[in-house]
Amino acid sequence: AQSVTQPDIHITVSEGASLELRCNYSYGATPYLFWYVQSPGQGLQLLLKYFSGDTLVQGIKGFEAEFKRSQSSFNLRKPSVHWSDAAEYFCAVGAGSYQLTFGKGTKLSVIP
Amino acid sequence: DVKVTQSSRYLVKRTGEKVFLECVQDMDHENMFWYRQDPGLGLRLIYFSYDVKMKEKGDIPEGYSVSREKKERFSLILESASTNQTSMYLCASRLLTGANSPLHFGNGTRLTVT
Repeated sequence: AQSVTQPDIHITVSEGASLELRCNYSYGATPYLFWYVQSPGQGLQLLLKYFSGDTLVQGIKGFEAEFKRSQSSFNLRKPSVHWSDAAEYFCAVGAGSYQLTFGKGTKLSVIP
Repeated sequence: DVKVTQSSRYLVKRTGEKVFLECVQDMDHENMFWYRQDPGLGLRLIYFSYDVKMKEKGDIPEGYSVSREKKERFSLILESASTNQTSMYLCASRLLTGANSPLHFGNGTRLTVT
């Protein structure tokens, strides 16, 4: 069975600082990997996805993520955080026709 | 753009009531899902549907049922609401059956059972 771990429950960064949110997955082969963002009171919005190929993927809102097979990780990064990035971020893993398994989320706070 | 619409943003119901949560998607997606979101627990899958009149149990189906009579509509039913079903409920859809088809989410229904 697949699983996802987001080690950080809550992260606080200053506006303009860089950001890295961690995600580790457990699955036998290369899974499909996703990052979603949830703004307060909203549903989840897809930021980016990885299926195969280039291990560095670009997403919306200036986010990128890097797939590292050796570390079973898919960390999300942004070079300079904006106050509007304050939200909850979810990593998800899927394979085959199975359903996505979501991590428990990392809440990001941004200090002006 | 895909639009997934959940009929209510907030609902307050009494214990023992039968509760219907409705979800409609406008992009002819095959699959539809109901998740429950609780602080510290993330998203947990309640039920999903691959196609009309088809349904599959997710991780936490107890106390819930679903209905999908039309492709665009997926209903979650709480047969007899209990206080431990107070939660945020998220509906999602995806175009095709396959984990590489991204999910599109509605804005959620926050249900309070008193």
